[in-house]
Amino acid sequence: GQNIDQPTEMTATEGAIVQINCTYQTSGFNGLFWYQQHAGEAPTFLSYNVLDGLEEKGRFSSFLSRSKGYSYLLLKELQMKDSASYLCAVRDHYSGTYKYIFGTGTRLKVLA
Amino acid sequence: NAGVMQNPRHLVRRRGQEARLRCSPMKGHSHVYWYRQLPEEGLKFMVYLQKENIIDESGMPKERFSAEFPKEGPSILRIQQVVRGDSAAYFCASSPETRGTDTQYFGPGTRLTVL
Repeated sequence: GQNIDQPTEMTATEGAIVQINCTYQTSGFNGLFWYQQHAGEAPTFLSYNVLDGLEEKGRFSSFLSRSKGYSYLLLKELQMKDSASYLCAVRDHYSGTYKYIFGTGTRLKVLA
Repeated sequence: NAGVMQNPRHLVRRRGQEARLRCSPMKGHSHVYWYRQLPEEGLKFMVYLQKENIIDESGMPKERFSAEFPKEGPSILRIQQVVRGDSAAYFCASSPETRGTDTQYFGPGTRLTVL
């Protein structure tokens, strides 16, 4: 089956570092994506991993271990505007086509 | 290059009415996905379409819901005889392909309220 797990909520302090974990189970893994979604808005693309290792993009980094079915999103130098939900999504290849499966999202609160 | 467009942004319907949600993908994108999101919850896949074809509708309720992506014009998600449980945000996403680094780009969503 297909399943994605991530924590429901996290709280961190402005200027700190936070790591949001995501574990997944799919039969036809074809990439892992992280999205940011502010309340009442559309998700926006943050990062993409298909090979093991770390992808760094400014204050945000994303890590993938395919053998463990595990990814994390690392946010450095937290700012108040980083308060949002962070969605982990896996692209699954099956029957010649693809589907994106989303986790329920992690609500991050950044405190002053 | 305009992003993914959805309209209306807000839609209010009474129980039993029909709701039509429209999605215009980004220019050059031929793949469209529809998702439903309830408050405080994640995105639930509904349907995946390419021009004139439904590729995967495994997330669509069997009754009252239908989707199309005609050769010309926007993709339409249609909900007949709406019920209060249909109240949610409906997001459309588009992508040029579904391989490599190509990701989905989301529209602003349509927030449906059923009275």
